[in-house]
Amino acid sequence: DQQVKQNSPSLSVQEGRISILNCDYTNSMFDYFLWYKKYPAEGPTFLISISSIKDKNEDGRFTVFLNKSAKHLSLHIVPSQPGDSAVYFCAALKYGNKLVFGAGTILRVKS
Amino acid sequence: DTGVSQDPRHKITKRGQNVTFRCDPISEHNRLYWYRQTLGQGPEFLTYFQNEAQLEKSRLLSDRFSAERPKGSFSTLEIQRTEQGDSAMYLCASSLSLGMATNEKLFFGSGTQLSVL
Repeated sequence: DQQVKQNSPSLSVQEGRISILNCDYTNSMFDYFLWYKKYPAEGPTFLISISSIKDKNEDGRFTVFLNKSAKHLSLHIVPSQPGDSAVYFCAALKYGNKLVFGAGTILRVKS
Repeated sequence: DTGVSQDPRHKITKRGQNVTFRCDPISEHNRLYWYRQTLGQGPEFLTYFQNEAQLEKSRLLSDRFSAERPKGSFSTLEIQRTEQGDSAMYLCASSLSLGMATNEKLFFGSGTQLSVL
């Protein structure tokens, strides 16, 4: 069963514009949500996270929004830069358990 | 500051052979995880250790797979009698967790890409 879903396999955005990556989850017991970024031939690197008790967390150009009633979170990147081109994984965690990842969304930022 | 390192980066083997991968976590991290990633999918949990104790194994981890972390530092993942379906990126990650609390931030290595011919 896929507890974390990223329904958009890819997204293409113009440099300077906003990138919005979406993620849906099915388990209402998740305590934390994270976004990881992955470049080719490298492991995923942590980008930003949000606790289930919050609805927004911001870090520089990156903002994550959580809508618990809809079991939906999104990552906003503003402004998008060519170096942001990567695969973005949404992940969720229930305390005492392990991270569960979505399938990823390939982001391409065109200059 | 050295991150998580994995060796080898690439491994090509013939079906039926055994392979072993090594992971060196960040030195002060007590938890070590193994994940597997196939093309078009996110990382899938395989197993994890807290210090030298293996605390959980996924049902994905068949009895051909074994992982060890003998001294609570580096870890090895062995696959016996490899099959073509074992071809994947094997990722190791580590974290620092105190008591039973979970530190949600995992630090990943660059992975070992296994190709079984």
